[in-house]
Amino acid sequence: EVQLVESGGGLVQPGGSIRLSCEASGFSVSRTYMSWVRQAPGKGLEWVSIVYRSGSLYYADSVKGRFTLSRDISKNMLYLQLNSLRADDTAVYYCARDEWFYNDGSGYYAFDSWGQGTLVTVSS
Amino acid sequence: DIQMTQSPSSLSASVGDRVTITCRASQRIDTSLNWYQQKPGKPPKLLIYAASTLQSGVPSRFSGGGSGTDFTLTISSLQAEDFATYYCQQSYDTPRRTFGQGTKVEVK
Repeated sequence: EVQLVESGGGLVQPGGSIRLSCEASGFSVSRTYMSWVRQAPGKGLEWVSIVYRSGSLYYADSVKGRFTLSRDISKNMLYLQLNSLRADDTAVYYCARDEWFYNDGSGYYAFDSWGQGTLVTVSS
Repeated sequence: DIQMTQSPSSLSASVGDRVTITCRASQRIDTSLNWYQQKPGKPPKLLIYAASTLQSGVPSRFSGGGSGTDFTLTISSLQAEDFATYYCQQSYDTPRRTFGQGTKVEVK
């Protein structure tokens, strides 16, 4: 069974840092794309970052230079280091498997598995 | 960057109603469009990928359509468990994954 479990959220002061973890089971994080998606309280979903199977990393413009995604293949874990945090980074952070689906001769990516999320609150 | 716009932002409906939600992309995305359902306090759940393919285990009352820039999610006969917020998401503009702002389906 595919499972994702996030941890590490909490209350952080503006300008502070925090590290989120995502433990994957039932599949290998090295064999698929993995993303972090966040959701501010009462708001919609915002894609944050992605790691390809190759290890290539990409970020949303809103977090580029402040957040760093990493993975530990031996532990089947995904991490998100959040630095220089601002009040508008307050959100539930989800890790999600960005799975490849083959359909009608073409490939498509979709988030087919999600963790329960971990809340990061940036406040003084 | 590709922007995704859903309409309406919210709607009120009754059990048994046919409900349609629209998603428009700011540029062509072929059929690289996914739909998710999210209930309060829960993570999103994948309903449809590639614009019209039902994810395993999703009831057949859900259907998706469209290509290019205009897409729809239809619930043929709304059930009590379908009251939720629905999001579209594009996966064409790799590596970015853009979501629509969401459509909340509420009880009339």
